[in-house]
Amino acid sequence: QVQLVESGGGVVQSGGSLRLSCAASGFTFSTYAMHWVRQAPGKGLEWVAFIRYDGNNQYYADSVKGRFTISRDNSKNTLYLQMNSLRAEDTAVYYCAKDLATNSIEYWGQGTLVTVSS
Amino acid sequence: QSVLTQPPSVSAAPGQKVTISCSGSSSNIGNNYVSWYQQLPGTAPKLLIYENNKRPSGIPDRFSGSKSGTSATLGITGLQTGDEADYYCGTWDNSLTWVFGTGTKVTVL
Repeated sequence: QVQLVESGGGVVQSGGSLRLSCAASGFTFSTYAMHWVRQAPGKGLEWVAFIRYDGNNQYYADSVKGRFTISRDNSKNTLYLQMNSLRAEDTAVYYCAKDLATNSIEYWGQGTLVTVSS
Repeated sequence: QSVLTQPPSVSAAPGQKVTISCSGSSSNIGNNYVSWYQQLPGTAPKLLIYENNKRPSGIPDRFSGSKSGTSATLGITGLQTGDEADYYCGTWDNSLTWVFGTGTKVTVL
């Protein structure tokens, strides 16, 4: 079955950096696009970034453009999110998610909490 | 700030039906498929509906989706206590960003 396991979350000071990882299994990782989605405490879902199956196209939410970078290593079945210049408003649970290739997000990991302290 | 608008909450008694609306524009819902997600308390979201009205394997037919113009609707019939959750619509926007709805909390009375 599909498994997505995020890691790398934690507490970081405002202006700092963090790299999240997502280990994928149970499907052919290299043939699916992937997303990062976040959810601030008590708030709704906010899409963060998307990367095509081959890593050749990346799209970002305006709120993170220029600060976050999504990438993938298909040889390691792993998705990444490099987060720089972190702000208090970036505090959230970050979910790694598998695209269904039909304009929907099919599977979600359990999330990793990022807390940015000011 | 979400560009897809949903009612903050809906409620009904067990066995009844609820509908959740998702209002967008021609740059998102009007030109793309809509999907729906269920988020039970303390858990990750789960795909309920994709391509406007299709259910993934394992999703009961009590859940249905439809789309008309720049709006979409999720219907839940035979409401159960286990359906108490937050529900989100989602779709691509022509600006090459994915957008989620504001979210709707379903309460079973």
